[in-house]
Amino acid sequence: AQSVSQHNHHVILSEAASLELGCNYSYGGTVNLFWYVQYPGQHLQLLLKYFSGDPLVKGIKGFEAEFIKSKFSFNLRKPSVQWSDTAEYFCAVNAQAAGNKLTFGGGTRVLVKP
Amino acid sequence: GAGVSQSPRYKVAKRGQDVALRCDPISGHVSLFWYQQALGQGPEFLTYFQNEAQLDKSGLPSDRFFAERPEGSVSTLKIQRTQQEDSAVYLCASTSFQLAGSYNEQFFGPGTRLTVL
Repeated sequence: AQSVSQHNHHVILSEAASLELGCNYSYGGTVNLFWYVQYPGQHLQLLLKYFSGDPLVKGIKGFEAEFIKSKFSFNLRKPSVQWSDTAEYFCAVNAQAAGNKLTFGGGTRVLVKP
Repeated sequence: GAGVSQSPRYKVAKRGQDVALRCDPISGHVSLFWYQQALGQGPEFLTYFQNEAQLDKSGLPSDRFFAERPEGSVSTLKIQRTQQEDSAVYLCASTSFQLAGSYNEQFFGPGTRLTVL
C-alpha cells in the first residue's frame, strides 16, 4: 500500500521569505501527485498536480512543485510567500493501480507573519 | 455553480448513538468519495462510489460504518454505536466521469465535524 510523509508539521515564515515543503511517498508503481491547500475556515482545494511530462509543475498563486522520481519526492515551493498563504498544505498520491482514491500526508501548517 | 455540500456541518453525539452524515456532490459527478480526517492528521480514505455502486470500501474502519448512495447522487455515511475514536472531520469529495487509467480532480466539501462525547 502507498504512503505519504510530510516532514514538517509546522512552518513559520515572514512575508517575502521562500517556502519549501517536503513530501515523500512510498509506492513502486505509477503515481499521480497532488498538493492540496486548506485556508482557515475553507475546504480543501487543489493547488497543483502532476500526472506525467515535465516534472516541474506550476500551480495557482505562484506555487510550483518538482517531481523527482528517483527520490520519490514531490516538494512544494514558493519563492516569496504572502500573509494570505497561511494555510495547511497536504501532499497526496493516487496510485494508478489502486483505483481512484487519494492517500494524503499528515499536512504542514504554514503561518506567514506579516 | 454549487460545490459539494455536506450536512450537518457539526454533530455532537453521545457514545453509543447512531449518526448519519449527508453529502450532496456536484451535479452530474458520478464518482463520490468519503474520507475521515482525525485531528492533526491528513484525510484517510473510507469508501468510493461510482454512481450507486460502492466499488471500494476498504477504508471503512469497522462494520459500524456504512455508506450508501441509492440513486447515484446524494450519499449518506452512517456510523452506528459511535465511539470516542470516531471523532473526526468527515469529508466528501466528488469527481466527474473518468476513463480507466485516467484521473480527474476531486472536489471536496466543507466536511462534517463529529464529536463523540
